[in-house]
Amino acid sequence: GDSVTQMEGPVTLSEEAFLTINCTYTATGYPSLFWYVQYPGEGLQLLLKATKADDKGSNKGFEATYRKETTSFHLEKGSVQVSDSAVYFCALGGAGGTSYGKLTFGQGTILTVHP
Amino acid sequence: KAGVTQTPRYLIKTRGQQVTLSCSPISGHRSVSWYQQTPGQGLQFLFEYFSETQRNKGNFPGRFSGRQFSNSRSEMNVSTLELGDSALYLCASSLEGLSNQPQHFGDGTRLSIL
Repeated sequence: GDSVTQMEGPVTLSEEAFLTINCTYTATGYPSLFWYVQYPGEGLQLLLKATKADDKGSNKGFEATYRKETTSFHLEKGSVQVSDSAVYFCALGGAGGTSYGKLTFGQGTILTVHP
Repeated sequence: KAGVTQTPRYLIKTRGQQVTLSCSPISGHRSVSWYQQTPGQGLQFLFEYFSETQRNKGNFPGRFSGRQFSNSRSEMNVSTLELGDSALYLCASSLEGLSNQPQHFGDGTRLSIL
């Protein structure tokens, strides 16, 4: 079945540092890929998405490129802020009828940014 | 545009009881999905409803059930509660539940079983 693997956390960075959170996936067909962010006490917020190979999703300075050849969707940001401290989830929306309404999530990566 | 609304935000129950959680999707969204979030298992898919029909189901026991109403609002029910059911339950809505359509999440219902 579909699966998503995220890099082990937690990740601790200083403000203005470069961020990379690795995400790889296993799926049949052509899935859609998403990054979500969760702040304490809240639900998940969509950060960005890509629905086909070589698509680049971007939002609020975050970027991720759908790489089918390496089955990856790594999240990057050039300069993190304290306000980016949160938990980040990579998610996959599988192809095919059995995937209706189902996202498969990675285990989440806790990011802490210090001033 | 109002987001996904889940009620209640917090619930405390005891073992053996049952509980009903409610979710109001974004206006115009017809697909509602439910997830369970725990520190040990992460985010796991429970089921999805579209046009009042369950189209997809995750690997959870029959104690977990749901339904959807004609206005797309959804409820989730858990019967015979167990300690392991303590979790954050998240509801998400999307236009039609297709894989390329992003899901929008509510803030969740925190269920604690004593």
